Amino acid sequence: EPEVTQTPSHQVTQMGQEVILRCVPISNHLYFYWYRQILGQKVEFLVSFYNNEISEKSEIFDDQFSVERPDGSNFTLKIRSTKLEDSAMYFCASSVGYTQYFGPGTRLTVL
Amino acid sequence: AQSVTQPDIHITVSEGASLELRCNYSYGATPYLFWYVQSPGQGLQLLLKYFSGDTLVQGIKGFEAEFKRSQSSFNLRKPSVHWSDAAEYFCAVGGGIRGNEKLTFGTGTRLTIIP
Repeated sequence: EPEVTQTPSHQVTQMGQEVILRCVPISNHLYFYWYRQILGQKVEFLVSFYNNEISEKSEIFDDQFSVERPDGSNFTLKIRSTKLEDSAMYFCASSVGYTQYFGPGTRLTVL
Repeated sequence: AQSVTQPDIHITVSEGASLELRCNYSYGATPYLFWYVQSPGQGLQLLLKYFSGDTLVQGIKGFEAEFKRSQSSFNLRKPSVHWSDAAEYFCAVGGGIRGNEKLTFGTGTRLTIIP
């Protein structure tokens, strides 16, 4: 059964550094999403992406964040200058209709 | 604005006992409702979903959920829990014209199973 994959599984970075989180959505899916989950808190929506552009973004998704689909398979989330409060689990999801399928997540630790 | 409330932060159930996890939602149109499960250190696995039709939906691992529009609820049930069901359970609501809008999650219910 096709799955959403994410790399790396864990990323440690210094405050102020740029990070890129990578996702490979399910191949025939058209909608892509990033969510995050700060430790002990609920899953929060960051951004949705369709037809090579952002469909919707939350107030969390400020100018420090960007998304890209650089080729036909990858979907990336870039954080330009990481802050301590960016430490969280980041989930990628994809859908072709109403159901979103999630990847295993990337745990980002900002020191 | 859409929202999801899971009133129970933590539930402890004996193995073999029945389970009901509560979920209440607020959504301005016809909601699409989901239950996801997250085992420690793992991602979110879809248990079941409701879009329309029969208000009692079956999912994986023996779970079911009932949509009650009058109560704005979508409670998750299982007749007999197994130790492997210990995990965090999240209720979520989405929708939109194309059904591809963001999901709004509840705060989750942590399920502990005792022998």
